[in-house]
Amino acid sequence: QKEVEQDPGPLSVPEGAIVSLNCTYSNSAFQYFMWYRQYSRKGPELLMYTYSSGNKEDGRFTAQVDKSSKYISLFIRDSQPSDSATYLCAMSLKTGANNLFFGTGTRLTVIP
Amino acid sequence: KAGVTQTPRYLIKTRGQQVTLSCSPISGHRSVSWYQQTPGQGLQFLFEYFSETQRNKGNFPGRFSGRQFSNSRSEMNVSTLELGDSALYLCASSWDSNGEQYFGPGTRLTVT
Repeated sequence: QKEVEQDPGPLSVPEGAIVSLNCTYSNSAFQYFMWYRQYSRKGPELLMYTYSSGNKEDGRFTAQVDKSSKYISLFIRDSQPSDSATYLCAMSLKTGANNLFFGTGTRLTVIP
Repeated sequence: KAGVTQTPRYLIKTRGQQVTLSCSPISGHRSVSWYQQTPGQGLQFLFEYFSETQRNKGNFPGRFSGRQFSNSRSEMNVSTLELGDSALYLCASSWDSNGEQYFGPGTRLTVT
């Protein structure tokens, strides 16, 4: 069993829809949680970074962490065709450990 | 502020050869991490350098090595290349050890 599980999709939604992306993890020692967006043939781009349970909002993006359930989510409101990309969740164990554990990524297509 | 840069962007090598990849972090960032991305395994952590010292290492064979220079630039070396080493190699930089990492565009290595 992988330490970080993510539904690979693919996921197709119409423009303007709310998108929900999720990851589960098995190691309760994970403390820092990130969401990255990766366009084809590009490096991952950091979208959201959180280190505690709860919600964090940035524009159309909301990251949610539930440490008790070992579950993290990313919500995208008013999705746009430019949001079409692969979304990767990532997490790290503690300060002093910059080795990220990634999910496999969910491929999202937003249809105009 | 300039982002993480990686050179070269594309590389084709033959089995048995060795290769060196280069990464320049964001100005002021002291930590550089390297990842391998393949369709089958996703993103996997190789190693991290901080102030010219290897601080963390992933589960890769000794053929994969790296170093960091006093200006924080980093190089990664792969010796005795195998077909399975074909991948996108990503470099990420961070101010410190809090996991908030910013990725470069990657070097796509093809081994024939």
